[in-house]
Amino acid sequence: AQTVTQSQPEMSVQEAETVTLSCTYDTSESDYYLFWYKQPPSRQMILVIRQEAYKQQNATENRFSVNFQKAAKSFSLKISDSQLGDAAMYFCAYRSGGDDKIIFGKGTRLHILP
Amino acid sequence: NAGVMQNPRHLVRRRGQEARLRCSPMKGHSHVYWYRQLPEEGLKFMVYLQKENIIDESGMPKERFSAEFPKEGPSILRIQQVVRGDSAAYFCASSITAYSNQPQHFGDGTRLSIL
Repeated sequence: AQTVTQSQPEMSVQEAETVTLSCTYDTSESDYYLFWYKQPPSRQMILVIRQEAYKQQNATENRFSVNFQKAAKSFSLKISDSQLGDAAMYFCAYRSGGDDKIIFGKGTRLHILP
Repeated sequence: NAGVMQNPRHLVRRRGQEARLRCSPMKGHSHVYWYRQLPEEGLKFMVYLQKENIIDESGMPKERFSAEFPKEGPSILRIQQVVRGDSAAYFCASSITAYSNQPQHFGDGTRLSIL
């Protein structure tokens, strides 16, 4: 069974600094997708970034980028120039190419220090 | 374009009552997914429905929980005889197709509290 592990329950970063959130996953599939979702206190689930496993190039979205290490099954999220609005729970997630469900990690709560 | 609409936003029920959670997918989307988020946990898949059909209910508890997505109207997640352990946030997502390269768009969730 596929699993997603986020080993950092909480992290803090100074405003304007860079922070990296870790995620590892376990799968025997070759076709899959990886995601980072942000959940602010309002509880919305906001898709931050997405990576297709077949793409070697790391995905980027403005201040957000990932380090996708397929052999190591690692998928970390880097947030540059952290802003107060980045404070939220961040969930790493996995979806097999042949499946309908998304599997989520337990989340990392990110605090931004002014 | 309206997103995925869930209502109510908050629902309070006493033990033993029934809870009905509604989800209207995005326009043009015929695939609906329900997830449950327990406190301090990630979301866990419950059920996947396509219009009038349950495709995958591998994450649904065997008793008291049911889901439907009728030809007309929203998808409904129904919990009968609620217990304290049902307190959670329930999220609905929709997609335009079942292909995994199509994103699932999430609603804002319904927070269910059991007294």
